Amino acid sequence: DTGVSQNPRHKITKRGQNVTFRCDPISEHNRLYWYRQTLGQGPEFLTYFQNEAQLEKSRLLSDRFSAERPKGSFSTLEIQRTEQGDSAMYLCASSFLGQDNSPLHFGNGTRLTVT
Amino acid sequence: GENVEQHPSTLSVQEGDSAVIKCTYSDSASNYFPWYKQELGKGPQLIIDIRSNVGEKKDQRIAVTLNKTAKHFSLHITETQPEDSAVYFCAASIRWTNFGNEKLTFGTGTRLTIIP
Repeated sequence: DTGVSQNPRHKITKRGQNVTFRCDPISEHNRLYWYRQTLGQGPEFLTYFQNEAQLEKSRLLSDRFSAERPKGSFSTLEIQRTEQGDSAMYLCASSFLGQDNSPLHFGNGTRLTVT
Repeated sequence: GENVEQHPSTLSVQEGDSAVIKCTYSDSASNYFPWYKQELGKGPQLIIDIRSNVGEKKDQRIAVTLNKTAKHFSLHITETQPEDSAVYFCAASIRWTNFGNEKLTFGTGTRLTIIP
């Protein structure tokens, strides 16, 4: 169990550019979540996957945001035409939902700064 | 939707003393209450969790209590040490075996400082 891995750790981009983040969950976990955390706040739910199916999206996830988990393993979160308000820490978490549920385990996040 | 309130926002205690952080939730259907510790530059790390069929759970120096009637749960840290300094978040969700989205709603966090 190597934990949830997120890349890159930091990303600085100019307003209007597109960015993509990657998350590698704990290998046996079938659920993968994306959260966003702004300074001084708790994480806010964005979306989650059960295997490769995206099952729920928060209203926080505007149409500039898209997430995929093509083979039910790693996931990507893309933000198009970034805005300064997108600056935040983007956290990925994974868990196993089944007979023996596991808690959500978070990665160390990708910190996005939009200039 | 669920709303979780957390108090206090900052807490300073002398090393060796106890720290208590309190949270309330709004959705009576919530049945799972984890606590996370977040250190600077890192993601939240689970430290303890409790389900609604249990009133109290303890793990060494950390304990959590739950009052379902009042929709209130608390984190207790005893014999605090400098390495306990961090931001602590409570959260709530509806969790069932094999289904449910486990969407955690977090509180706004408590910055705990242990004074040596």
